[in-house]
Amino acid sequence: GAGVSQSPRYKVAKRGQDVALRCDPISGHVSLFWYQQALGQGPEFLTYFQNEAQLDKSGLPSDRFFAERPEGSVSTLKIQRTQQEDSAVYLCASSRSGGNTDTQYFGPGTRLTVL
Amino acid sequence: GQQLNQSPQSMFIQEGEDVSMNCTSSSIFNTWLWYKQDPGEGPVLLIALYKAGELTSNGRLTAQFGITRKDSFLNISASIPSDVGIYFCAGQLMDSNYQLIWGAGTKLIIKP
Repeated sequence: GAGVSQSPRYKVAKRGQDVALRCDPISGHVSLFWYQQALGQGPEFLTYFQNEAQLDKSGLPSDRFFAERPEGSVSTLKIQRTQQEDSAVYLCASSRSGGNTDTQYFGPGTRLTVL
Repeated sequence: GQQLNQSPQSMFIQEGEDVSMNCTSSSIFNTWLWYKQDPGEGPVLLIALYKAGELTSNGRLTAQFGITRKDSFLNISASIPSDVGIYFCAGQLMDSNYQLIWGAGTKLIIKP
């Protein structure tokens, strides 16, 4: 079946603009993760959903970042009043149930550039 | 925050050579994972390790979970051009069943 898809693939925003990044997980996957990957670095955890419940948002860098998954499938990561330091690749991953033996499957990411 | 030290940062090798990279941490992990990321793509899982001392192979790739639970290595034998990319280690802490801590990556470049 189809893998994790993300849209848009590239987003350029002016500082201060709001952006919304979309993630379509693998169908039937219960768990969904958002990561932020700065240039030359590994991904950093942002937030975790199990179905529609956001169980962990400890990695969100500020209250400008907000994520939702209202029907337990598609998720949106919203960044308000973007800043230059928000420029990064935002990766979404999904897994069947979220247990430690469950593989996280990653989407291709959205590259956000804030000017 | 938690950190994984991954080395080397980059490797320039000849096709056919063996490659070795490793990750260490001051924290204990219950899972070690090795991923590969190609340009413009998300990471893809190569090998997963769940037990201290475990040695696992996937084709030309071999990885081990250190017995102290604080380190892991990945070996690639007889490298080929499609091995080019960035390799990441990721670990799962003992008190989490989902959150991954990632290394900064090892960039593998094959000299023509």
